[in-house]
Amino acid sequence: DQQVKQNSPSLSVQEGRISILNCDYTNSMFDYFLWYKKYPAEGPTFLISISSIKDKNEDGRFTVFLNKSAKHLSLHIVPSQPGDSAVYFCAAGGSDYKLSFGAGTTVTVRA
Amino acid sequence: EPEVTQTPSHQVTQMGQEVILRCVPISNHLYFYWYRQILGQKVEFLVSFYNNEISEKSEIFDDQFSVERPDGSNFTLKIRSTKLEDSAMYFCASSEQGGLGQPQHFGDGTRLSIL
Repeated sequence: DQQVKQNSPSLSVQEGRISILNCDYTNSMFDYFLWYKKYPAEGPTFLISISSIKDKNEDGRFTVFLNKSAKHLSLHIVPSQPGDSAVYFCAAGGSDYKLSFGAGTTVTVRA
Repeated sequence: EPEVTQTPSHQVTQMGQEVILRCVPISNHLYFYWYRQILGQKVEFLVSFYNNEISEKSEIFDDQFSVERPDGSNFTLKIRSTKLEDSAMYFCASSEQGGLGQPQHFGDGTRLSIL
């Protein structure tokens, strides 16, 4: 399933700076998008979502941007904290209720 | 905060044996899902379940797989005759409603190892 792609397998960022994670998709039928965070030995934890009718959604330090024409979304984390070090998955869903996941980006926040 | 719980955390089974993975979804949720993640690969959708029946399944979910909600709280995934390639992390998820941006909440997974 190549419908959702996260092309950066890893990201290293200084504590306090902005983390920007990117995600591309190919299926124009997706109508909502989600970001999940995953620590080792735990399941994915829901972070934030965005509907296809919006271009931005903000929740505290997390903001998701959606560019439908480019089939691209991004997650901004600002300021980055050491506890943000984890694997971040982009996921997309449509009317069939199943989620398609990207391969994940491992974020490391340096002190 | 309510959470999805899965048991066991690790299951080791001989090839050809049946295995049942168990999940307790969040209590007021109505939609239930199973996903799996083979080591080094993406999280893949297996099946969704609503109102006591399968609503969607992937090509992975063949006749060897089945799901059941045997009572008001448990949701199980059965693999009838396990194969080596069934070795993976299996995640259960639930959501209050289906689709339309309703987030699916995941358990911590069961690591299934087929010998």
